[in-house]
Amino acid sequence: DQQVKQNSPSLSVQEGRISILNCDYTNSMFDYFLWYKKYPAEGPTFLISISSIKDKNEDGRFTVFLNKSAKHLSLHIVPSQPGDSAVYFCAASYPTGANNLFFGTGTRLTVIP
Amino acid sequence: ETGVTQSPTHLIKTRGQQVTLRCSSQSGHNTVSWYQQALGQGPQFIFQYYREEENGRGNFPPRFSGLQFPNYSSELNVNALELDDSALYLCASSFYADTQYFGPGTRLTVL
Repeated sequence: DQQVKQNSPSLSVQEGRISILNCDYTNSMFDYFLWYKKYPAEGPTFLISISSIKDKNEDGRFTVFLNKSAKHLSLHIVPSQPGDSAVYFCAASYPTGANNLFFGTGTRLTVIP
Repeated sequence: ETGVTQSPTHLIKTRGQQVTLRCSSQSGHNTVSWYQQALGQGPQFIFQYYREEENGRGNFPPRFSGLQFPNYSSELNVNALELDDSALYLCASSFYADTQYFGPGTRLTVL
């Protein structure tokens, strides 16, 4: 049972434009959400996170939006750069216990120069 | 500051064999989590170690076991390997429940 879903396996965007990656979750107990970026032959790299008490968090070109009522979060990258081309994973965790992360299946972003 | 390292990078085993994967946590981190990433899937939580004790476990059978050492490094052991165990095994370290930082992974192929 996939509790975190990324329904778009791939996304292509022109350099300089906005990239929007989406993520849905089913478990209302999740209270912390993260985005990781993964290049081939490397481990996931932490990008940005958001707590359920917020609806937006920004870090440079990256902004994550959280809509708790819709159980939906999105990652905005603006402007997109060719170096952003990678697989992006959305992850969620519970407030207590081992804080194990529940991952989506990933979205492959390609930024076209 | 040294990041998370894992060894070996790749290995090939046959069904029924046993394997040990190793992970060194990032400086200042005391918690290690292991994940399995099958092809085309997101990482799945195997278990977590904190203060040398298992601190949570995902839906994996007992033939997946682990250890954490006093220097916070960790091992993942898999007994009686099956073909479906072929995957990328990722180790992540954190300072307790803070953000997890991942190593490059070990690619295991079971023939």
